[in-house]
Amino acid sequence: QKEVEQNSGPLSVPEGAIASLNCTYSDRGSQSFFWYRQYSGKSPELIMSIYSNGDKEDGRFTAQLNKASQYVSLLIRDSQPSDSATYLCAVNSPGGFKTIFGAGTRLFVKA
Amino acid sequence: DTAVSQTPKYLVTQMGNDKSIKCEQNLGHDTMYWYKQDSKKFLKIMFSYNNKELIINETVPNRFSPKSPDKAHLNLHINSLELGDSAVYFCASSRPGPGNTIYFGEGSWLTVV
Repeated sequence: QKEVEQNSGPLSVPEGAIASLNCTYSDRGSQSFFWYRQYSGKSPELIMSIYSNGDKEDGRFTAQLNKASQYVSLLIRDSQPSDSATYLCAVNSPGGFKTIFGAGTRLFVKA
Repeated sequence: DTAVSQTPKYLVTQMGNDKSIKCEQNLGHDTMYWYKQDSKKFLKIMFSYNNKELIINETVPNRFSPKSPDKAHLNLHINSLELGDSAVYFCASSRPGPGNTIYFGEGSWLTVV
C-alpha cells in the first residue's frame, strides 16, 4: 500500500463548478496534512495545511480531514481556468522530518 | 530575494559523469531536503537534514551524496550518472518538527544522455 494515495485523474470540471480532490494515507500517527499546487514546469506551492479533524476554509478552498478514516480532501469552489494544475496531497511523518507526497491529481478547469 | 535557490536550473550531461547541484535558503530554517520528481511527476523524498545533520536517507543509491556545510546550504553531488537519474531535483526547507510547511526551490532539471 502506498503511503499517500490520490486519484491521478485527470479531473475535468467546468468553470464555476466545485472540484473535489481526495487523498488517503496509511500512517495513523500522522498529524500534519498539506495540499500543494504545482503548475507545469514549476515547483509545488502550499495551498492549505490542516491538523485537526473537520473543515478548514481559506477563500475558495476548503480542506477536510478525517483521521479515523485516514482521509483528507480539498474542495475548490467556483473553479477557474487558472486553477488547472496538479494538486499534491502531503502528509508529515510523526517525527516531523519527512513529508510524503501523493502522486498528485491533475485538474483541468474548462472555460 | 528568492527564499530557496538552487543552481543550475538546467543540466544536460553524459552517462558516467559526476555533477553537483547547489542549494541555499535564506529563510532561517534548520531543516533542508532533497526531493526527486520523475517523469511521472511523483515527488519522492531523498534526504532530510536538520542543522547540518542527516536525518532521513530514503534508500538512495550511494552515488548520491548530500553535503550540508551549514544549515543554510545543502548540496547534492551525483557520481557516475545513469539514464535513470534524469529527473527534476527540488531542494526545500522548513522549520523542524511536524506541522511545518515545506518551501521548495525552483527545481533543477537534470537530463542524462
